[in-house]
Amino acid sequence: AQSVTQLGSHVSVSEGALVLLRCNYSSSVPPYLFWYVQYPNQGLQLLLKYTSAATLVKGINGFEAEFKKSETSFHLTKPSAHMSDAAEYFCAVRASGYGKLTFGQGTILTVHP
Amino acid sequence: SQTIHQWPATLVQPVGSPLSLECTVEGTSNPNLYWYRQAAGRGLQLLFYSVGIGQISSEVPQNLSASRPQDRQFILSSKKLLLSDSGFYLCAWSSEARGYEQYFGPGTRLTVT
Repeated sequence: AQSVTQLGSHVSVSEGALVLLRCNYSSSVPPYLFWYVQYPNQGLQLLLKYTSAATLVKGINGFEAEFKKSETSFHLTKPSAHMSDAAEYFCAVRASGYGKLTFGQGTILTVHP
Repeated sequence: SQTIHQWPATLVQPVGSPLSLECTVEGTSNPNLYWYRQAAGRGLQLLFYSVGIGQISSEVPQNLSASRPQDRQFILSSKKLLLSDSGFYLCAWSSEARGYEQYFGPGTRLTVT
């Protein structure tokens, strides 16, 4: 069985500051890991994914995430926050190539001017 | 390209009334299809998934049901809605050709009164 823990249900940063959203996973097999973003009243959009290739994964909108097996983490970062980054972010794990996704509880990112 | 549609976008229904939400996918064949519910502040909960016509797996016991009458059509139903059925319902698809990444529809906001 797999699980995901997102540390911090709310994160607030100033525009231009570093964004760091934390995700730790548990999986009995090598995982596939994902970050999704959700804007209010919309569906989820895939930001990036880790599928056992490079441990540093670059995604859309300037986001990236690093897979650290020793720490069972897959934290999402962006060097400089924009107002448009304000949204809810979900980390998810999939234990096999075609298996179901297990989502974290989500982190709401607020960006202050 | 692939697109996913959900309707209606919003729905207000009284307790005890029936429900039918529809999801269709275009531009792909034999997708895996998923229904999720997102309740306020509670992340995403997988309700049903389907790997083919007539093949439905239920993840949680509830008064909801799902059907897949056609390859690219997924329907979520209830005979009698409960207040606790309120939430944001998301449909998603994945396919082997796209590496089993899940792509989400725009969602249906259901309010049970």
